[in-house]
Amino acid sequence: EADIYQTPRYLVIGTGKKITLECSQTMGHDKMYWYQQDPGMELHLIHYSYGVNSTEKGDLSSESTVSRIRTEHFPLTLESARPSHTSQYLCASSSPGTSYNEQFFGPGTRLTVL
Amino acid sequence: AQSVTQPDIHITVSEGASLELRCNYSYGATPYLFWYVQSPGQGLQLLLKYFSGDTLVQGIKGFEAEFKRSQSSFNLRKPSVHWSDAAEYFCAVANDYKLSFGAGTTVTVRA
Repeated sequence: EADIYQTPRYLVIGTGKKITLECSQTMGHDKMYWYQQDPGMELHLIHYSYGVNSTEKGDLSSESTVSRIRTEHFPLTLESARPSHTSQYLCASSSPGTSYNEQFFGPGTRLTVL
Repeated sequence: AQSVTQPDIHITVSEGASLELRCNYSYGATPYLFWYVQSPGQGLQLLLKYFSGDTLVQGIKGFEAEFKRSQSSFNLRKPSVHWSDAAEYFCAVANDYKLSFGAGTTVTVRA
């Protein structure tokens, strides 16, 4: 079944640790996105990719980095986690084959940095 | 850049009553508009979308939305709310291949 997956769903980690949030989609979409969402707040785009080896920063500045080596995989990395990184991170994908700009979302990763 | 505003932060509605969530957009041409729903601890699910044509759009879970160019609005409605409709609702507008989201409206359903 075509879908978009995020792991882990929940992560509690100490300050200074390096973490990678995984996002994979099986829909063959070329465009992928990372959003940051604080509880009860709107979504802010932090990274996006329009294809392999293409990554761009979003509207909200973030200390995280991303890579797009394979079409289906778009991991997000924090080299040194801090309490200010505590948030929910949502991954999404879209394709020109779908309705214009319709994005499909993963279940999210809730990150807590102590 | 295009943007959307959701004026209502929180709405409480009785089960079985009607629901309307407001969304206003700013854009010169015809926008591509979306409504998403987010249940607690979950990702976003698309309810409906508007690109062109009929201004009354039907979506999933019994929701509909009406595009009104004269009012720059794309309000979401449901005639009879179920307890399972308690969630966060986001309006969004397309900016090239990206989406800009409103701040969201939290819907609480009371018995």
